[in-house]
Amino acid sequence: EAGVAQSPRYKIIEKRQSVAFWCNPISGHATLYWYQQILGQGPKLLIQFQNNGVVDDSQLPKDRFSAERLKGVDSTLKIQPAKLEDSAVYLCASSPQGYRTTGELFFGEGSRLTVL
Amino acid sequence: AQTVTQSQPEMSVQEAETVTLSCTYDTSESDYYLFWYKQPPSRQMILVIRQEAYKQQNATENRFSVNFQKAAKSFSLKISDSQLGDAAMYFCASLNSGGSNYKLTFGKGTLLTVNP
Repeated sequence: EAGVAQSPRYKIIEKRQSVAFWCNPISGHATLYWYQQILGQGPKLLIQFQNNGVVDDSQLPKDRFSAERLKGVDSTLKIQPAKLEDSAVYLCASSPQGYRTTGELFFGEGSRLTVL
Repeated sequence: AQTVTQSQPEMSVQEAETVTLSCTYDTSESDYYLFWYKQPPSRQMILVIRQEAYKQQNATENRFSVNFQKAAKSFSLKISDSQLGDAAMYFCASLNSGGSNYKLTFGKGTLLTVNP
């Protein structure tokens, strides 16, 4: 079974530029999450999708971050314009039906963003 | 709101020995789950062990076991017979399973070094 795929693995941009990250969850997983992991901290949930609907985006900085999951499968997270404090690893995770099954999330390898 | 605290930023252990990683949490929910996730360097986060709060028996998975003290809101991870491959960042996480929105909250992590 293929795992959660993310791209790009690494991205370096100047502040005020834009960047987009892509995630393809495990086939059949209804729920998709984007987490931000700043160095030295635990992952923080940015947004949670159930199929193609948003369940929780309370911690997403909506003035600069946006995310979509148009067909209920893959997802894109965009940052525009980027700030220095956006330097982090962006983790995508999926689970079969929210947390209801085992409570386990399956993570991708992450996309490391450096903003200069 | 849920909070998860890992008071040990770094730990080290000799190969074949036992190490315990600490975690405390705070939740107002009566029904919740607790997890330990492992994040090897530059690799994806994977689930190590899971504990349902309603279960009194401590979870075990091969060399990994937990000490779940519900009244004290403590959830420590014991790794027995440590192996070089156990070296990673370990995150404690809590999930409340009440209501329709399940949110996974992570601690800041403990970096485990295994010395040969």
